[in-house]
Amino acid sequence: DAGITQSPRHKVTETGTPVTLRCHQTENHRYMYWYRQDPGHGLRLIHYSYGVKDTDKGEVSDGYSVSRSKTEDFLLTLESATSSQTSVYFCAISESGRSTNEKLFFGSGTQLSVL
Amino acid sequence: DAKTTQPPSMDCAEGRAANLPCNHSTISGNEYVYWYRQIHSQGPQYIIHGLKNNETNEMASLIITEDRKSSTLILPHATLRDTAVYYCIVRVVGAGSYQLTFGKGTKLSVIP
Repeated sequence: DAGITQSPRHKVTETGTPVTLRCHQTENHRYMYWYRQDPGHGLRLIHYSYGVKDTDKGEVSDGYSVSRSKTEDFLLTLESATSSQTSVYFCAISESGRSTNEKLFFGSGTQLSVL
Repeated sequence: DAKTTQPPSMDCAEGRAANLPCNHSTISGNEYVYWYRQIHSQGPQYIIHGLKNNETNEMASLIITEDRKSSTLILPHATLRDTAVYYCIVRVVGAGSYQLTFGKGTKLSVIP
């Protein structure tokens, strides 16, 4: 299994509070991604990173920010959590975003509940 | 990325081959077919991918029709641990597109 650790695994928070989710990888892969998974919507890309300090928005980036100060860590921050951000969040990594052999490896997920 | 159509659910007897179909009739020439699966409460797991030739690895085989409008994922000897939701995805590789669109997939139940 790819070395991807997400923390925390579960979190309950209140509306309006800031929340940071962490993704840590030991594979030295260049690309990292944050997805959310909701019933009826499949997985949707929030933000991704193609290198240290290089990030870009995905399909559902509103209300989220990310940072990547080291190759191994990709942080997802909800500046002011809302109930609509209750979801399961998955981190993924890939060696290359452009290779014909590109594969995404996913972490185990973080269940976030915003009350 | 092209849209895919999969049956919502399938059953397979343990030890038998599981054949999961996927329709992608609008696929374009530079789009690859990818398969991932998601076991309950876990992150998706890459299985296999291909462009037009059939592919096989330690997990599964991928059969793509000659016109590329459909494909079949084959798990040769299904086990109870193969019970999962299987996603068929088509996407351009190499264009910097990171939007991996997961549809609803096929829920495969392997029955003892």
